[in-house]
Amino acid sequence: GESVGLHLPTLSVQEGDNSIINCAYSNSASDYFIWYKQESGKGPQFIIDIRSNMDKRQGQRVTVLLNKTVKHLSLQIAATQPGDSAVYFCAENSGTALIFGKGTTLSVSS
Amino acid sequence: DAGVTQSPTHLIKTRGQQVTLRCSPISGHKSVSWYQQVLGQGPQFIFQYYEKEERGRGNFPDRFSARQFPNYSSELNVNALLLGDSALYLCASSFGGNTEAFFGQGTRLTVV
Repeated sequence: GESVGLHLPTLSVQEGDNSIINCAYSNSASDYFIWYKQESGKGPQFIIDIRSNMDKRQGQRVTVLLNKTVKHLSLQIAATQPGDSAVYFCAENSGTALIFGKGTTLSVSS
Repeated sequence: DAGVTQSPTHLIKTRGQQVTLRCSPISGHKSVSWYQQVLGQGPQFIFQYYEKEERGRGNFPDRFSARQFPNYSSELNVNALLLGDSALYLCASSFGGNTEAFFGQGTRLTVV
């Protein structure tokens, strides 16, 4: 079936570095994607979304890039802080359901 | 503004019992979805309700059921609990099906 997955299960960075978290999807018809941050013991927190009519969208310290040709999206976090440490999920919104990948654990050391 | 609220936050049940989990969406949101998240995995879709009607169902057995009330709050029921039902159950609300979805803190269910 169609699925959304992430390239790396873990990513370790130093405070102040820029982080890039990648995600590949398989359904070429997908047109809406969301990035979530999940801290231990909490529900997923909405970070940023992007629709297929866009290649790039920026938020506060975060940028999402969408490459429809290779079915890939990425989340870039600028000046990573210890508070950014969490599990990050990309999710494909089918209109009925969010389809999540397994997540990337981001660890930020100071 | 209140976010998505779920109750209870934690629950311990015995195999074979039944459980009801509750969710109140963000004010103005008409869609509620339920997800199950087991340790180390991403959330798995269980149900979506919009305007009190079921709009989608994931690959879960009939022991799982849900409903949405006129005030758009929702309940998830699980019958004949199994050990494997132990998980974090998440509720997400959105204005519509294809719009931003926001999650509650979840209900941690432990089946013993």
